[in-house]
Amino acid sequence: SQQGEEDPQALSIQEGENATMNCSYKTSINNLQWYRQNSGRGLVHLILIRSNEREKHSGRLRVTLDTSKKSSSLLITASRAADTASYFCATFEVGNDYKLSFGAGTTVTVRA
Amino acid sequence: DAGITQSPRHKVTETGTPVTLRCHQTENHRYMYWYRQDPGHGLRLIHYSYGVKDTDKGEVSDGYSVSRSKTEDFLLTLESATSSQTSVYFCAISESGFAEAFFGQGTRLTVV
Repeated sequence: SQQGEEDPQALSIQEGENATMNCSYKTSINNLQWYRQNSGRGLVHLILIRSNEREKHSGRLRVTLDTSKKSSSLLITASRAADTASYFCATFEVGNDYKLSFGAGTTVTVRA
Repeated sequence: DAGITQSPRHKVTETGTPVTLRCHQTENHRYMYWYRQDPGHGLRLIHYSYGVKDTDKGEVSDGYSVSRSKTEDFLLTLESATSSQTSVYFCAISESGFAEAFFGQGTRLTVV
């Protein structure tokens, strides 16, 4: 089974609203990463948060990590039509520095 | 964009035939990955490589083999293609352990 699971599976919001999606994982991790995939394209790395960090920002993105609950959230503020994409969390387990495992993703649609 | 090229980009093949997908990188990154992406499953790791001739299995490796004879090339072979291997295949590279991954554009494989 997969390491990460995103919630919700799909999200539809109005342009300008915030989008929040969550990721839960099963084992102890070294870091957690978020990726975006536009339709028909490869994945693009957005942000990496280490296990000893609790929050990280990058532009309109805010990521939190709660290792006690084995969960992370990605917040996109002031969404734009260009944010329409699928978002995936991915983790490196502790002690395994070359096995990057992905969740099933959240599909975000931003309506104009 | 990271220098990753997947070939072919699209392929239709018949059940029972062998198929080889190629991933070529110009970044001299140590780690290379093959994933498959199917609706509802996100990305699932097939095989990965942590150096020339150093490879290991991921979570869905049955029916697949890989080879890496030089840093820049990572080949994925479907030994005898089945309809269940119809999928989009992504190659990814990473410079070091626990680092972000860069993805190719994907190969859409259809087994008929």
